[in-house]
This record gives sequence, C-alpha cells and structure tokens, in this order.
Amino acid sequence: GENVEQHPSTLSVQEGDSAVIKCTYSDSASNYFPWYKQELGKRPQLIIDIRSNVGEKKDQRIAVTLNKTAKHFSLHITETQPEDSAVYFCAASDNFNKFYFGSGTKLNVKP
Amino acid sequence: SAVISQKPSRDICQRGTSLTIQCQVDSQVTMMFWYRQQPGQSLTLIATANQGSEATYESGFVIDKFPISRPNLTFSTLTVSNMSPEDSSIYLCSVEDQDRGYYGYTFGSGTRLTVV
Repeated sequence: GENVEQHPSTLSVQEGDSAVIKCTYSDSASNYFPWYKQELGKRPQLIIDIRSNVGEKKDQRIAVTLNKTAKHFSLHITETQPEDSAVYFCAASDNFNKFYFGSGTKLNVKP
Repeated sequence: SAVISQKPSRDICQRGTSLTIQCQVDSQVTMMFWYRQQPGQSLTLIATANQGSEATYESGFVIDKFPISRPNLTFSTLTVSNMSPEDSSIYLCSVEDQDRGYYGYTFGSGTRLTVV
C-alpha cells in the first residue's frame, strides 16, 4: 500500500516568515494530494489540494507543489500569521476512496 | 460542504465495555469512512462503510472489535467493543465532499474516547 512520509514533525517560524512542509509518497499510482489543517481540539479541515496533472496550485497565501518524478509534494505558507498555528497533514490517494495521511507537522507561528 | 454530526463528542468508559458512535450526514453519500486518531498522531483509516454491504476493514482492524452499521445513505455507527486503555483515541467519521472547489474528505467533529 501507499506510504506517506511528512517532514518536519514540528516547525517554528516568526510571524511574517514562510513555512514549508514536505511529503513524499511511495505509490506512483497516487494522483490526488490534499492538505488538511487541524487546530487544537478541532476536526481536520481541507485547505488545498493538487492533482497529478498539475505542478503547482495557489490559494492566497497557501501554495502546493508536486513533483511526480520524485514523488514528493510540498505545502508553502507565505506571510505566516499566528492563526496559521496548527497541525498540518498531507495525504495521498489513487482513487479518491482511500486516503493515506502523513504523520503531521505542528506549525507554531510566533508573534 | 457536507455537515456531519457525530456523537457522543466524548466519553469515559470502563474497560471491557462497548461504545457506539453515531455519525449523521446532512446529504446522501455513497461511502462513509471511519478514522482513528491516537493522541498526537496521524489519522488511520479503520474501515469504509457502504450502504447495503459489509464494511471493508483496513489491515489491523477487525469486525469483531469495530462493528459498523450503515443502514442508509446518511447514517453510520461504529462500535468499539471490549474496550481497553489502548482504544483511547479520537474517532472520526468522514465523507467524500467538495468544498470551495476542493475534493477530499469532510470530517465529523470526532468522539474523544478515554478508557479507564
């Protein structure tokens, strides 16, 4: 089955700086890669996704890049704000029915 | 996006007992998914529940321990049976959904289970 690895496990940045979280996947059949944000005590929420036919996607301060050859994808958050502090999970799927999640990255944005 | 009501939101249970978690969706969905999130950990898929058929369990999860019902297209239950402290986790149901153009899962608010 698919194996998704996520790094780093924790990330601390100053407010206004950028944050980058990286994930690798093992199954070349995976073709859909969503990212979830989970605030403390709350449910995971989908924040952005990318499909395998796209190399990059942006949504305001958030962007995701995908390198299919290297089997890795990354989440980029620019101009970080304290409300960006949360745990972020990447995931991979090959059929939209089964998602494999990374281990999570705890992002701390220091004011 | 879909609205999912999950209950109970939390419970403290004695070892050896069982707890049934309910998940109600405000729209009809083909598949519902049950996840476990152990403290500080990632999300692990327990099983996929289709209406009218038996649930499909992931490796490491068995029906006797986690029986699932899916009586209709908007409702599902997960039972955690014969509980031990190792079952202490957050259990989340989820459904396929589209939100703001993104396709993925929408999660319920979760059930925080503590087994003592």
